[in-house]
Amino acid sequence: DGGITQSPKYLFRKEGQNVTLSCEQNLNHDAMYWYRQDPGQGLRLIYYSQIVNDFQKGDIAEGYSVSREKKESFPLTVTSAQKNPTAFYLCASTSGPRPNTGELFFGEGSRLTVL
Amino acid sequence: QKEVEQNSGPLSVPEGAIASLNCTYSDRGSQSFFWYRQYSGKSPELIMSIYSNGDKEDGRFTAQLNKASQYVSLLIRDSQPSDSATYLCAVTLGFQKLVFGTGTRLLVSP
Repeated sequence: DGGITQSPKYLFRKEGQNVTLSCEQNLNHDAMYWYRQDPGQGLRLIYYSQIVNDFQKGDIAEGYSVSREKKESFPLTVTSAQKNPTAFYLCASTSGPRPNTGELFFGEGSRLTVL
Repeated sequence: QKEVEQNSGPLSVPEGAIASLNCTYSDRGSQSFFWYRQYSGKSPELIMSIYSNGDKEDGRFTAQLNKASQYVSLLIRDSQPSDSATYLCAVTLGFQKLVFGTGTRLLVSP
């Protein structure tokens, strides 16, 4: 079945550590996105990539980094520079080149907790 | 003013009733509007999209768009307990920015 796979589903991190969240899709979608969701807040865009080897900062990119070496993969690294990383992280993809064309397909999410 | 505003709820309706969820947005130039459903602890899934003024129906769901008043709504007819979830409104602002509201929590009681 086609879809988006995120791993791990749950992750605990000590302060000062970098962690990488995996996102893999087999939908043959060109565009991929990382969102962050906090309680009582809407989804906020961290980074997005429209094609391989290219990505753009979203609204809250500070403290995060991404890569897009393959069409299927868009990993997110939460660095120690991110001041408040505890959140629910969602990876999404869409067949359109822009987030306002076509629907967003989301992975199951990764819940990161900083101890 | 927030770019996309929703009442956080919870909105409580009895089973079989019509649930009405509302969303207002600030950018008059917005062109695309979406409703996502998110069950607790799960990821959002798209249930409706609407691009022009008026109503769009899909099964028990109807999306309504009024660009002059800058609001979009979602009606759920014959509400079921399985409809209990948070409903996120998303609006495109400008050419390439999709903004989500904070969501309205819907509770359907048997």
